[in-house]
Amino acid sequence: NAGVTQTPKFRVLKTGQSMTLLCAQDMNHEYMYWYRQDPGMGLRLIHYSVGEGTTAKGEVPDGYNVSRLKKQNFLLGLESAAPSQTSVYFCASRNTAEQFFGPGTRLTVL
Amino acid sequence: GNSVTQMEGPVTLSEEAFLTINCTYTATGYPSLFWYVQYPGEGLQLLLKATKADDKGSNKGFEATYRKETTSFHLEKGSVQVSDSAVYFCALSDWNTGGGNKLTFGTGTQLKVEL
Repeated sequence: NAGVTQTPKFRVLKTGQSMTLLCAQDMNHEYMYWYRQDPGMGLRLIHYSVGEGTTAKGEVPDGYNVSRLKKQNFLLGLESAAPSQTSVYFCASRNTAEQFFGPGTRLTVL
Repeated sequence: GNSVTQMEGPVTLSEEAFLTINCTYTATGYPSLFWYVQYPGEGLQLLLKATKADDKGSNKGFEATYRKETTSFHLEKGSVQVSDSAVYFCALSDWNTGGGNKLTFGTGTQLKVEL
């Protein structure tokens, strides 16, 4: 039981490049979330999903897209990266009691 | 909307000192309250939670009581250890704000415990 895993762990992009962050969970959870963590701002919700095939916007969705084609996977895409998207990205999934977090992806956009 | 305010850090304590990290919240409904801990280089882990007024959450020597009258959920520990050094996040989940059971986080408080 690996819990919530994220790939990659680190990535450096140039402005305008695109990339996809992958989140996978093996706990059969319906709900999944993408957050970004910035100094002094806590965690802010980007997008979330309440089940396979569904997605919804969170607090800071601009510049990001997501897909939930399979229940266990939740992908976060950056179509044209900007320096303002430099951050640590966390994925989480949820059962009835709590959210479980992945280890994070540190992304730097130059 | 919902919001969580917690004391700014960093907080530096000596081992065996008493810890308090203040957390207050604003919510439109009847939230559940959480404390998460983030150790260096890791994701967040649930430390404790409380789902209704006057509930006390506890784990690993940490405690927090859900105070509806003061809209607070302060984290306490009687004797901290070096291994408690981490960032602590207060959060709420309000079931009445629509789908997703989303968490609203405070900005985090860094705790450093020294020998």
